[in-house]
Amino acid sequence: SAVISQKPSRDICQRGTSLTIQCQVDSQVTMMFWYRQQPGQSLTLIATANQGSEATYESGFVIDKFPISRPNLTFSTLTVSNMSPEDSSIYLCSATGQYDGYTFGSGTRLTVV
Amino acid sequence: GENVEQHPSTLSVQEGDSAVIKCTYSDSASNYFPWYKQELGKGPQLIIDIRSNVGEKKDQRIAVTLNKTAKHFSLHITETQPEDSAVYFCAASTGTNAGKSTFGDGTTLTVKP
Repeated sequence: SAVISQKPSRDICQRGTSLTIQCQVDSQVTMMFWYRQQPGQSLTLIATANQGSEATYESGFVIDKFPISRPNLTFSTLTVSNMSPEDSSIYLCSATGQYDGYTFGSGTRLTVV
Repeated sequence: GENVEQHPSTLSVQEGDSAVIKCTYSDSASNYFPWYKQELGKGPQLIIDIRSNVGEKKDQRIAVTLNKTAKHFSLHITETQPEDSAVYFCAASTGTNAGKSTFGDGTTLTVKP
């Protein structure tokens, strides 16, 4: 299965600023996703990162707040914009091939102060 | 959309005992059911999966069963060990791959030595 490198692993940011999280996969994958996970809770899908086109966002998530790029089959970024303390969470990148389950990155633990 | 319910939310067993975690899903079109293990500070890791054309699948001490009629599937861990302690998530999706998976709320398994 694929191996995902996600950076940064953690960050503490000031409110009103933006943070870009990077996700690099070691092989070409069919689909890439971005999830949010509050500590001790389940995973909530933010969006599907589409290669070469705009991401597909889930209800409650918008492009202006969470712009996503996927310039090729192995790389994606998620930006958390104009951050507030409510954005403090763990953000996870995941990827899947044609017949595999998900591979997840190790996550980015974001704290907004 | 799909809704996945997972029970129990916490489970404590003695080392060597078996552990069973159950999930139900709502969308009869779902045909792929993976299970993930998440250790503290890490991203979820796929441990076993099952597709709707199979009723049971085993991998050493781990097994998954699927009842399509009742729309539920279960994770069975035998001869539990302390290193099995983690949060376990079930998920359901449609399509030939993981696609856009819906996750259960997670089960925190504690194996007491």
